Amino acid sequence: QQQVKQSPQSLIVQKGGISIINCAYENTAFDYFPWYQQFPGKGPALLIAIRPDVSEKKEGRFTISFNKSAKQFSLHIMDSQPGDSATYFCAASIQGGSEKLVFGKGTKLTVNP
Amino acid sequence: NAGVTQTPKFQVLKTGQSMTLQCAQDMNHEYMSWYRQDPGMGLRLIHYSVGAGITDQGEVPNGYNVSRSTTEDFPLRLLSAAPSQTSVYFCASSPRGGAQYEQYFGPGTRLTVT
Repeated sequence: QQQVKQSPQSLIVQKGGISIINCAYENTAFDYFPWYQQFPGKGPALLIAIRPDVSEKKEGRFTISFNKSAKQFSLHIMDSQPGDSATYFCAASIQGGSEKLVFGKGTKLTVNP
Repeated sequence: NAGVTQTPKFQVLKTGQSMTLQCAQDMNHEYMSWYRQDPGMGLRLIHYSVGAGITDQGEVPNGYNVSRSTTEDFPLRLLSAAPSQTSVYFCASSPRGGAQYEQYFGPGTRLTVT
């Protein structure tokens, strides 16, 4: 049973465009939602994270939007650059829960110059 | 700090062989975990540890063993390798005792089982 559903599987965007990746979850006990970025041949690295007490968090060109009632959260990359080309994973975990971080299946983003 | 280190980077095993993937961190992190990454499957948790002497199973633990005798090291043992264990394995650590904080990932070990 997949607990975090991520879409799309792949995404191609032109330089300067907006990249949007969506995730949905079922378990309402999730209360920590990070996004990880992975370049080819490297391990994932934390990009940005949000907790459900806020609806949006912005760090530079990266924004997480969170909709608690719909059980959805998304990553927006503004002014996408070729250097943003990577695989992006959303994830979720429960505070004081089973200490497990559950990942989505990933989105491969390609930003064309 | 070296961060999270993993050895080896690449390994080829024959079916039935055993081996240990090494993971070490020098950040004094309490929480360590092992994931496998397969195309289209994302990152799946194999085993994790919230501190020395404490380990627990993740989503896909079958065929793997772990132990945590020190804070720094968290080796993953494949007891009898199978082709289904062909994957890229990542070790991660967190500065606090849980999955609620930033996970620092190692560079990965690419394992092929023939």
